[in-house]
Amino acid sequence: SQQGEEDPQALSIQEGENATMNCSYKTSINNLQWYRQNSGRGLVHLILIRSNEREKHSGRLRVTLDTSKKSSSLLITASRAADTASYFCATPRVQGAQKLVFGQGTRLTINP
Amino acid sequence: ETGVTQTPRHLVMGMTNKKSLKCEQHLGHNAMYWYKQSAKKPLELMFVYNFKEQTENNSVPSRFSPECPNSSHLFLHLHTLQPEDSALYLCASSPAASGRYEQYFGPGTRLTVT
Repeated sequence: SQQGEEDPQALSIQEGENATMNCSYKTSINNLQWYRQNSGRGLVHLILIRSNEREKHSGRLRVTLDTSKKSSSLLITASRAADTASYFCATPRVQGAQKLVFGQGTRLTINP
Repeated sequence: ETGVTQTPRHLVMGMTNKKSLKCEQHLGHNAMYWYKQSAKKPLELMFVYNFKEQTENNSVPSRFSPECPNSSHLFLHLHTLQPEDSALYLCASSPAASGRYEQYFGPGTRLTVT
């Protein structure tokens, strides 16, 4: 079964605005990861947040994790056209913990 | 560049052809993965190799045959594929086969089966 689910499926905003994407998951995790994928390319790792962390920053990215609600959010501040991409959350599957399970992603479009 | 390369980047093959996809990582990692990404579907894990040993086969049809000769190289041999196998095939690596680590992806091979 799918572990992480992103919301919304698609988001379109103006350049300079902030973009927020959410991820919900079902089972206990020790970390949650966010990835970006430009169209037809490989995924790029953005941030890993551990279960004992509540918030993490990397440049214009801010990730929060609420383990009580089994949810995470990715905030991109001051968006740029180059941020146009799909964003995925990934969590380790409890059984067979070698695996990361990816959600279906949020397609983000930044309009100039 | 993520340190993971894949060749070819694009491949068109007929259903009776045999072809191979190649992945190489220059990161000193011990785990390598094959994923399939189809339109409107989540990323599907196909195979996991950890220290050259296959540790996961996610119910992948036998027309896909992986090979991992060493920790830096991973192949996916393709034979008698179906049109529904058309997808983006992604290779990834990580320090070890554990969900505790981030994965580094190659650019993918866009496969079209005619």
